[in-house]
Amino acid sequence: DTAVSQTPKYLVTQMGNDKSIKCEQNLGHDTMYWYKQDSKKFLKIMFSYNNKELIINETVPNRFSPKSPDKAHLNLHINSLELGDSAVYFCASRDGNTEAFFGQGTRLTVV
Amino acid sequence: QKEVEQDPGPLSVPEGAIVSLNCTYSNSAFQYFMWYRQYSRKGPELLMYTYSSGNKEDGRFTAQVDKSSKYISLFIRDSQPSDSATYLCAMRDDKIIFGKGTRLHILP
Repeated sequence: DTAVSQTPKYLVTQMGNDKSIKCEQNLGHDTMYWYKQDSKKFLKIMFSYNNKELIINETVPNRFSPKSPDKAHLNLHINSLELGDSAVYFCASRDGNTEAFFGQGTRLTVV
Repeated sequence: QKEVEQDPGPLSVPEGAIVSLNCTYSNSAFQYFMWYRQYSRKGPELLMYTYSSGNKEDGRFTAQVDKSSKYISLFIRDSQPSDSATYLCAMRDDKIIFGKGTRLHILP
């Protein structure tokens, strides 16, 4: 059983397109995150949701819009993709008694 | 000063050696300290976590936190080639802040 699953695993798309990445966790956790990992492997937080409510929004362009339909899902929609958006995007989840569990990542390549 | 500082390496050591990985941090409000291991093209995997200062041991791994010095360490005893990965320290208040990760190579 996959605890935190992301789809798709790989995404190659052209500049200017709009794309979505989906994340689901079956751990019953209340808090979910999106992180971006750049080519130098630096993991930087983008968003955090707790029980479907946005609680952290780092300095991320408005082109990125997270959506949490329920506490088990946190999707990331990206408008007008740019070359600099190419990275690996990780979803993670945790609750009050655990540390974060990460998905396997979505490798986004914008061409 | 960045919130979390970690030497990116790479760090190469022979099999069987003791590995020491370290991070420093600036925010004294951090109470939870973690080490994640990330293999190539995989997600970070939680390895160890510690609350406040002290030591924690799990098999060949020992995590140490010195809050007075704002310094955390991960020791790996009897290192194996399968330990070759990137090790990320992380700290949490309302969000999890990661170090840049240290690439570790264990040479057979």
